[in-house]
Amino acid sequence: AQKITQTQPGMFVQEKEAVTLDCTYDTSDPSYGLFWYKQPSSGEMIFLIYQGSYDQQNATEGRYSLNFQKARKSANLVISASQLGDSAMYFCAMRETGSSNTGKLIFGQGTTLQVKP
Amino acid sequence: DTGVSQDPRHKITKRGQNVTFRCDPISEHNRLYWYRQTLGQGPEFLTYFQNEAQLEKSRLLSDRFSAERPKGSFSTLEIQRTEQGDSAMYLCASSLLTGGRDRETQYFGPGTRLLVL
Repeated sequence: AQKITQTQPGMFVQEKEAVTLDCTYDTSDPSYGLFWYKQPSSGEMIFLIYQGSYDQQNATEGRYSLNFQKARKSANLVISASQLGDSAMYFCAMRETGSSNTGKLIFGQGTTLQVKP
Repeated sequence: DTGVSQDPRHKITKRGQNVTFRCDPISEHNRLYWYRQTLGQGPEFLTYFQNEAQLEKSRLLSDRFSAERPKGSFSTLEIQRTEQGDSAMYLCASSLLTGGRDRETQYFGPGTRLLVL
């Protein structure tokens, strides 16, 4: 069964430093997509970055990059040059895109990131 | 380009009452998803539509829950005979499914916070 695991309930980082948020996943489908979302205290889920299972290169979007290690089934989010506005809950999510046509996302438990000034 | 909107943002109701939530997706998005999120957890999939067809329902969606998407535009989620366990954030997301199914990205609304007393 597909599953997403985020083992860090909470993380602290100093402003302007880089931080890595961990995500491991489990699926038997060879084709899948991995997503990271940010959820500030206001509640809205904000899409950050996507990685496809067949992508050859790690995804990058501005200060966000995804450290994709397929053999280890991990998809860690790296935030460079942290800003105070990065303080939020971060969710890793997966969608299987092989045999099923489902679009549903399976989410992890989330990691709360606090950026210290 | 307006994002996904949800109404109401907050709802307080008494146990046993019926409630209805509305979601307006990003225009021209053909897929619409409903998720439920309880405090400290990641969102859980409830159901989704492609155009006006409801393609998948989670086992979380009991008989008291019903969702519609008439004419493939906005969607409503109704909960009948609410219970205290229904208290949660209800999130709506929309996406545009094109030929590249892998890269379908869901964009979320601000959510509706439901409290059942």
